[in-house]
Amino acid sequence: GENVEQHPSTLSVQEGDSAVIKCTYSDSASNYFPWYKQELGKGPQLIIDIRSNVGEKKDQRIAVTLNKTAKHFSLHITETQPEDSAVYFCAAPFYNQGGKLIFGQGTELSVKP
Amino acid sequence: DTGVSQDPRHKITKRGQNVTFRCDPISEHNRLYWYRQTLGQGPEFLTYFQNEAQLEKSRLLSDRFSAERPKGSFSTLEIQRTEQGDSAMYLCASSPRTGGDEQFFGPGTRLTVL
Repeated sequence: GENVEQHPSTLSVQEGDSAVIKCTYSDSASNYFPWYKQELGKGPQLIIDIRSNVGEKKDQRIAVTLNKTAKHFSLHITETQPEDSAVYFCAAPFYNQGGKLIFGQGTELSVKP
Repeated sequence: DTGVSQDPRHKITKRGQNVTFRCDPISEHNRLYWYRQTLGQGPEFLTYFQNEAQLEKSRLLSDRFSAERPKGSFSTLEIQRTEQGDSAMYLCASSPRTGGDEQFFGPGTRLTVL
């Protein structure tokens, strides 16, 4: 069945340090991997995504890497800032059901000034 | 603002009452999804529309839940005879017609059933 595992569940870093969040997925057919940032009381915000034809994608301080053979992908945030503090979710689509997203359990990132 | 909008943002109701939520997707996005999110968890899929057709429903969607998208634009999610276990954030997302893996979420409707 479809499953996405995400680690760690909580992550605390000092401002300026890097943060890495990792996910594994089960459905070999998945070829699109988004990351969402969710602040308290708000809906998830798409921050970066990657398709399976590339191994890495960067957007300023955030990057995502993908290892399709091992079925895992990671979010990297460099030079963290207090405003990066939020819950981050990885996800993968399940195409047999209209591309519904299966989400990981979430990582609560805390960036201490 | 051209993002996904949801109304109301918060709803408090008593057990047994019916509630209805509305979602307005991004213009011309033909796919619309409903998810439910409980505290400390990721969103869980409820149902999916392509234009006005409801194509998939999760087992989470009991017969007390019904969703519509009558003209292929906005959608409504109704919960009848609410139970305390229905308390959650109900999220709507839309996805574009082409190249459309991306799902863009609205702010959600927070439901509290007393």
